[in-house]
Amino acid sequence: QSALTQPPSAAGSPGQSVTISCTGTSSDVGGYNYVSWYQQHPGKAPKVMIYEVSKRPSGVPDRFSGSKSGNTASLTVSGLQAEDEADYYCSSYAGITHVVFGGGTKLTVL
Amino acid sequence: QVQLQESGPGLVKPSETLSLTCTVSGGSISGYYWSWIRQPPGKGLEWIGYIYYNGNTNYNPSLESRVTISVDTSKNQFSLKLSSVTAADTAVYFCARHNGRAQDYWGQGTLVTVSS
Repeated sequence: QSALTQPPSAAGSPGQSVTISCTGTSSDVGGYNYVSWYQQHPGKAPKVMIYEVSKRPSGVPDRFSGSKSGNTASLTVSGLQAEDEADYYCSSYAGITHVVFGGGTKLTVL
Repeated sequence: QVQLQESGPGLVKPSETLSLTCTVSGGSISGYYWSWIRQPPGKGLEWIGYIYYNGNTNYNPSLESRVTISVDTSKNQFSLKLSSVTAADTAVYFCARHNGRAQDYWGQGTLVTVSS
């Protein structure tokens, strides 16, 4: 059982927006602004898309955005493109447990 | 450009110790945390632990009794040992750099199968 809860799947058509949620507790997501999001294509290593809730690393398109409200963080992908189809994982600092991941969400571009 | 490469046996027998090394190139190991993360086939990511370049470690409480992570700054390498393995430890093992905010560089991953 993963520490953070994500929906197993999400989908949208090209050009649309999709939001993926990540629910934790006050001991992880709600307690720290250290939520990150990773994109993983099949057979590849994860790639960080968002860190510290809403910051984008250099090179990540601004179609990717992050936010947090209480114990739930969200990743929004706007203007969906075919290459956005991948698995997405959230992660949070969790104090003494240090790092926890969500179970992952498979994003399908219809 | 920082690159990480995992190395080690792809097959380990039950009850034995899994040992992997991650070699860092294109940058120094100093100043950062270095992580091990695994992914069972078809499943999600699980953080195993990380080590600071000075040797300080933090482990996932669920694995702490079986895990040792060490660092060799002279070789720009860090290593993972996981003892008393079972089939449940079969996974792709990734090494990654943690920059204090997120895991920003990852190795390609290496599949370790636990089987007799």
